[in-house]
Amino acid sequence: AQSVTQLGSHVSVSEGALVLLRCNYSSSVPPYLFWYVQYPNQGLQLLLKYTSAATLVKGINGFEAEFKKSETSFHLTKPSAHMSDAAEYFCAVSDSGANSKLTFGKGITLSVRP
Amino acid sequence: EAGVTQFPSHSVIEKGQTVTLRCDPISGHDNLYWYRRVMGKEIKFLLHFVKESKQDESGMPNNRFLAERTGGTYSTLKVQPAELEDSGVYFCATRLAGSGGVNEQFFGPGTRLTVL
Repeated sequence: AQSVTQLGSHVSVSEGALVLLRCNYSSSVPPYLFWYVQYPNQGLQLLLKYTSAATLVKGINGFEAEFKKSETSFHLTKPSAHMSDAAEYFCAVSDSGANSKLTFGKGITLSVRP
Repeated sequence: EAGVTQFPSHSVIEKGQTVTLRCDPISGHDNLYWYRRVMGKEIKFLLHFVKESKQDESGMPNNRFLAERTGGTYSTLKVQPAELEDSGVYFCATRLAGSGGVNEQFFGPGTRLTVL
């Protein structure tokens, strides 16, 4: 069985500060890893994904994540937070099967202070 | 290109009533998933269709939930009779077949169900 751990439920940063959202996973097979974002009153939008190619993955809106197998981690970072980054962020894992379901973490809400 | 759409956006019903949620996929997406998020909890998988066939319904909570996908196009999720614990946000997601094995799913905005 696969699982995802996102510690904490809320992170607050100042505008322009580094954003770091942590994600650890558990999987018995090589995983595919995803970060999704949900802005208020919208559906989930894919930020980036790891699919066993490059371990450093760049996504939309300046976000990136690094896959570290030894640490079973896939932390999301952005060098400089913007007010528009305020949203809820979800880390998810699936196996490499073509039809696999996503297993999500609990999500973490990012607030950005002016 | 239109995204995944879900109807209604909100539904408030009383315990014991029936509710039907609808999901319209992105055109050409054979894979359709239903997920649910109960307040304060993680988003959890309910079931997966490939075209009109159920591939995996291991996440369906009980037999009060019935999902259909007639003709492999839109899907409905019926809850009958609804219980208080069914309250939550129901998401639909769809995916192209054979996208190189990469499981990129496109999500709809969700239906918020409140059972009173």
